[in-house]
Amino acid sequence: GAGVSQTPSNKVTEKGKYVELRCDPISGHTALYWYRQSLGQGPEFLIYFQGTGAADDSGLPNDRFFAVRPEGSVSTLKIQRTERGDSAVYLCASSVTGVGVNTEAFFGQGTRLTVV
Amino acid sequence: AQRVTQPEKLLSVFKGAPVELKCNYSYSGSPELFWYVQYSRQRLQLLLRHISRESIKGFTADLNKGETSFHLKKPFAQEEDSAMYYCAPPGGGGADGLTFGKGTHLIIQP
Repeated sequence: GAGVSQTPSNKVTEKGKYVELRCDPISGHTALYWYRQSLGQGPEFLIYFQGTGAADDSGLPNDRFFAVRPEGSVSTLKIQRTERGDSAVYLCASSVTGVGVNTEAFFGQGTRLTVV
Repeated sequence: AQRVTQPEKLLSVFKGAPVELKCNYSYSGSPELFWYVQYSRQRLQLLLRHISRESIKGFTADLNKGETSFHLKKPFAQEEDSAMYYCAPPGGGGADGLTFGKGTHLIIQP
């Protein structure tokens, strides 16, 4: 595809349920990032993949959050036992290599998660 | 980790007026800084990066090591500049990724 694609664009779930958010990065991009953006805040880093492995997952808020990228392309962010505080827009981004001086991150349109 | 501060949540200026969006950073070494922009109902996208010293859509940003700033400037604002602007260095959480400031909502009044 032409850009980073995230599905679904909107997700409403009940408190306590499990959700999966999907990200299709730009083809050939080895680096993939997940961010969470709450209302009125900038994107907050969650996890960074280089290929299939999570190079840095220090931004995941707790063990209810988990992400995978089994084949080095599509990634899934999984949230167990959702809480109302998890409501936010979840952004995915990819880049050719890790973000550095000359490397741009390309963002998806985000998944708006609402926990009721 | 590298951190940035955007002191203004909201900035409103009239069309044709100069614009300056402030960004201050707090880390040592050679900073690598970006400005990202998010227009209404569009995805977050790169506006410019300091290393390329380019001007995009009339915006420029100069790295001032003495003041530890990377302010975004445009001499004459246009209505289509209304958007959320985020200053970002790499370094979210660890050695990679981006750490974003909280953003400044720029509103250009006609």
